[in-house]
Amino acid sequence: NAGVTQTPKFRVLKTGQSMTLLCAQDMNHEYMYWYRQDPGMGLRLIHYSVGEGTTAKGEVPDGYNVSRLKKQNFLLGLESAAPSQTSVYFCASSFRSGLQYEQYFGPGTRLTVT
Amino acid sequence: DQQVKQNSPSLSVQEGRISILNCDYTNSMFDYFLWYKKYPAEGPTFLISISSIKDKNEDGRFTVFLNKSAKHLSLHIVPSQPGDSAVYFCAADLYAGNMLTFGGGTRLMVKP
Repeated sequence: NAGVTQTPKFRVLKTGQSMTLLCAQDMNHEYMYWYRQDPGMGLRLIHYSVGEGTTAKGEVPDGYNVSRLKKQNFLLGLESAAPSQTSVYFCASSFRSGLQYEQYFGPGTRLTVT
Repeated sequence: DQQVKQNSPSLSVQEGRISILNCDYTNSMFDYFLWYKKYPAEGPTFLISISSIKDKNEDGRFTVFLNKSAKHLSLHIVPSQPGDSAVYFCAADLYAGNMLTFGGGTRLMVKP
């Protein structure tokens, strides 16, 4: 099992450009998440999905869009990149087993917007 | 306002000694807590969790303590090893929700 994979690993964008980050998981998890990590701020949830075809906003959704067309994939889009979106982006997936669960994370995508 | 805080950005411990990482939260509705470990250039990996019906959970060298009245949890690593050097994040959730709220992280350095 590859677990959670993210494409690309690194990317540099100019202000105003667009891009899509791809997250894939092979664990048949229902839930998928996109986070961003900034220095000293931990991880903050951007958007999440509780199943194929569903998405919801997290803590910091502005400037991002997502889609979950297939259960195993969760896409994060930036329509018009801004320097404030320079960050490390992590995708995660999870299942729920009773009242306990854990989220499995991908290796991250380092995005720089100049 | 951060609902989950890790007030110590870094901690240095000698190999073989105990490492204690602390985490405070403000939302009394949180009822499930997790600790993650993160190495540079990798994603966070799950370490240990605890639900609010317990005050202690142990897994090998790792023990998490929860003090609900103080809204405080801590992670104890005994004995600490150089391979434990990483950034540790605590996270909190509601059973009815799907969103983890993370603390800012504590960088642990275990010296040989």
